[in-house]
Amino acid sequence: EVLLVESGGGLEKPGGSLRLSCAASGFSFSGAWMSWVRLAPRKGLEWVGRIKTKNDGETKDYSAPVKGRFTISRDDSQNMVHLDMNGLKVEDTALYFCAKGGPYGTYFDYWGQGIMVTVSS
Amino acid sequence: DIVMTQSPDSLAVSLGERATVNCKSSQTILHSSNNKNYLAWYQHKPGQPPKLLIYWASTRESGVPDRFTGSGSATDFTLTISSLQPEDVAVYSCQQYYTDPFTFGPGTKVNIK
Repeated sequence: EVLLVESGGGLEKPGGSLRLSCAASGFSFSGAWMSWVRLAPRKGLEWVGRIKTKNDGETKDYSAPVKGRFTISRDDSQNMVHLDMNGLKVEDTALYFCAKGGPYGTYFDYWGQGIMVTVSS
Repeated sequence: DIVMTQSPDSLAVSLGERATVNCKSSQTILHSSNNKNYLAWYQHKPGQPPKLLIYWASTRESGVPDRFTGSGSATDFTLTISSLQPEDVAVYSCQQYYTDPFTFGPGTKVNIK
């Protein structure tokens, strides 16, 4: 069974930092492109960023609103993917999901339960 | 960026009746090299992770009931629930994976009338 479990969310002040982690199991983690997707209050889903596999150069891509502030990394030995969020803004408040990319990093075939991040003074 | 729009914002359908959700992309998401539409549909219920229903616009994910059907091509797509069941109450979102950044529609809330 595929499981994705996020951790590390919480309340942070604007300008602060948080690290989200996602523990994966039930599939070949090293062969999967992994993404973070967020759901802000009263908004639709928003892709945050993606890290490809080692074989694909561990390329990282980000959405414009988070580029330069957020960093995705992966640890294939631990089956973990991380999202380091710096320079947090109020508009980063959202439920953050870890998601596994389908073949060739296409659609998202498995999602975690999500972890809440609230940015407020 | 490719902008995804959906209509309606919400709809209420009687049990056993058909529900139709529309999705439109701001540019084609039909790849000429393989003739595939790079579109997925997800079902999202409160407190649960989004669930993949349909990919390549019309391929049902394993385990998804056959009352869910995806159709359309290029820029216009439809998700049809042929006979609405109580467990289908959810938000339905389309997503394009044709190009970065992957983008989602705003979601359509489906309720029971």
